[in-house]
Amino acid sequence: QQPVQSPQAVILREGEDAVINCSSSKALYSVHWYRQKHGEAPVFLMILLKGGEQKGHDKISASFNEKKQQSSLYLTASQLSYSGTYFCGTEAGTSYGKLTFGQGTILTVHP
Amino acid sequence: DAGVIQSPRHEVTEMGQEVTLRCKPISGHNSLFWYRQTMMRGLELLIYFNNNVPIDDSGMPEDRFSAKMPNASFSTLKIQPSEPRDSAVYFCASSLLAADTQYFGPGTRLTVL
Repeated sequence: QQPVQSPQAVILREGEDAVINCSSSKALYSVHWYRQKHGEAPVFLMILLKGGEQKGHDKISASFNEKKQQSSLYLTASQLSYSGTYFCGTEAGTSYGKLTFGQGTILTVHP
Repeated sequence: DAGVIQSPRHEVTEMGQEVTLRCKPISGHNSLFWYRQTMMRGLELLIYFNNNVPIDDSGMPEDRFSAKMPNASFSTLKIQPSEPRDSAVYFCASSLLAADTQYFGPGTRLTVL
């Protein structure tokens, strides 16, 4: 089942902060975050693993609440380059390697 | 290093024709994934391979779709016969390990008329 992302869209001015949430009904092993710009391929941002390990972007942070099966992506001091669609991909504990992506959150940063 | 390579980048075909999409994963990566992206359904996993072996093909929509990975450096996704509802962007991604970071190719935009 597809994870649910919120909000569906957010508009920011440069320098503002944003939080994007991802929620699953399944017990998760990991959460992957990607950003996709229009007409391009998704680009990896971060992996959060059960147990607390994180791998990824040095200017973007995220959290993973294993009990609630939720993850949040924190974008601070946003830049114009942050604009795009953000997807979370969840890996259930029973489906090693298989990612199910949320519907995406459209982030627009204005000058 | 070269990233994931996909060909063709654009494909326009008529309903009923066979379509073959190609993917070359990053050298040394052991897992390969095929995704389909549409506005309505988002980004969907079709199939993934680990060490050239198909592990999960539960996302393949129907028998018209088939995928192969004859060796570690090449995979194909075939649609036969194609239908207008197959129109989408098809991405190939590879990762070092199945649960690791996935690197996406540029995608193939398929239009079936």
